[in-house]
Amino acid sequence: AQSVTQLDSQVPVFEEAPVELRCNYSSSVSVYLFWYVQYPNQGLQLLLKYLSGSTLVKGINGFEAEFNKSQTSFHLRKPSVHISDTAEYFCAEAHAGNNRKLIWGLGTSLAVNP
Amino acid sequence: DTGVSQDPRHKITKRGQNVTFRCDPISEHNRLYWYRQTLGQGPEFLTYFQNEAQLEKSRLLSDRFSAERPKGSFSTLEIQRTEQGDSAMYLCASSSPTGRPTLNTEAFFGQGTRLTVV
Repeated sequence: AQSVTQLDSQVPVFEEAPVELRCNYSSSVSVYLFWYVQYPNQGLQLLLKYLSGSTLVKGINGFEAEFNKSQTSFHLRKPSVHISDTAEYFCAEAHAGNNRKLIWGLGTSLAVNP
Repeated sequence: DTGVSQDPRHKITKRGQNVTFRCDPISEHNRLYWYRQTLGQGPEFLTYFQNEAQLEKSRLLSDRFSAERPKGSFSTLEIQRTEQGDSAMYLCASSSPTGRPTLNTEAFFGQGTRLTVV
């Protein structure tokens, strides 16, 4: 069965520090990977996605993620965070061959402190 | 077109009542999804439409839940005889512009409908 594991439920960090939010996926077949952000009382917004090609993908707001097939990981990184990055971050996967429904991790709450 | 819209944004209902939510996807998208998100959890897949056809339903979708997408445009999700456990955020997403390669798998989400059953 498909599953997505976000290894940290909460990540506190100081402003302007680097951050990494970890995500491991389970699928051994072709998979698409996504990171979404959810601000309080808002819907989900796509940060970035990996479909194929270069394993380093860049997204909005200065975020990037690296697809690592051997470690089945897709960790999200930002070199310097802002207070406005405080939000819930979700990693998700979809299989290339099915209806493209998303399987989600439980989320990581990023709290950026001044 | 400004994206996926959901109505209402918030709904408070008494246990046992029926509720209906509406989702208007991005107009050229042929795929539409419903997800449910409870507090502190990631979204969970409920059901999926391609055009007007409902192609998959999660076992989370009990017989009290029904979803429709007449004419392949907007969709409705109805919950009958609501229970307190139905309290959640119900999210709608759409993807895959008609006629374009299905490699484009980005799903665009609405703001969600927050249901509270009291």
